Amino acid sequence: GNSVTQMEGPVTLSEEAFLTINCTYTATGYPSLFWYVQYPGEGLQLLLKATKADDKGSNKGFEATYRKETTSFHLEKGSVQVSDSAVYFCALTSNAGGTSYGKLTFGQGTILTVHP
Amino acid sequence: DADVTQTPRNRITKTGKRIMLECSQTKGHDRMYWYRQDPGLGLRLIYYSFDVKDINKGEISDGYSVSRQAQAKFSLSLESAIPNQTALYFCATSDFGTRSNEQFFGPGTRLTVL
Repeated sequence: GNSVTQMEGPVTLSEEAFLTINCTYTATGYPSLFWYVQYPGEGLQLLLKATKADDKGSNKGFEATYRKETTSFHLEKGSVQVSDSAVYFCALTSNAGGTSYGKLTFGQGTILTVHP
Repeated sequence: DADVTQTPRNRITKTGKRIMLECSQTKGHDRMYWYRQDPGLGLRLIYYSFDVKDINKGEISDGYSVSRQAQAKFSLSLESAIPNQTALYFCATSDFGTRSNEQFFGPGTRLTVL
């Protein structure tokens, strides 16, 4: 079945530091890959996505590249801000058809705290 | 107005009580989902529905049931709540035919079972 593995947190950084949150996956077919963000007390929001190999998703200074050869979708940001403090979830949906089609599989989430 | 709404936002109940969580959407999506979030476990799928006549179990459906009353409404019921069902519950929607199958989430319902 499909699975997503994220680097364990929590991650604590100082403002303007470089961020990487690792994400690897196992999936049948050609999944779409996502990063969702959950700010304190809120629901999940889509941060960025990529639908095919070598696609780069980007939003709000965050980037992730769909690497089929390494089955990875690592999240990066060059300079984090205090306002980026949140929980980040890597996820995938299978486009292979069958009973898993369209269902999201999530990683366990990584808590990011950014200090001034 | 929010595209995906959930009611109630917070609920405290006692063991053995029946609880219903409701989800409504104005996005016109045909697919709807219920997830629960527990610390360190991410989100896990409880039930999903690809249209009004379609209901499917997710990975953790035991102790839960759902009803898809209309395209825009998808309710989750706990017939007899137990303390390990204390969690944050999210409803989500998606649109069949979009290549990415992106899902859109409601704000969540925090349920506490005493």
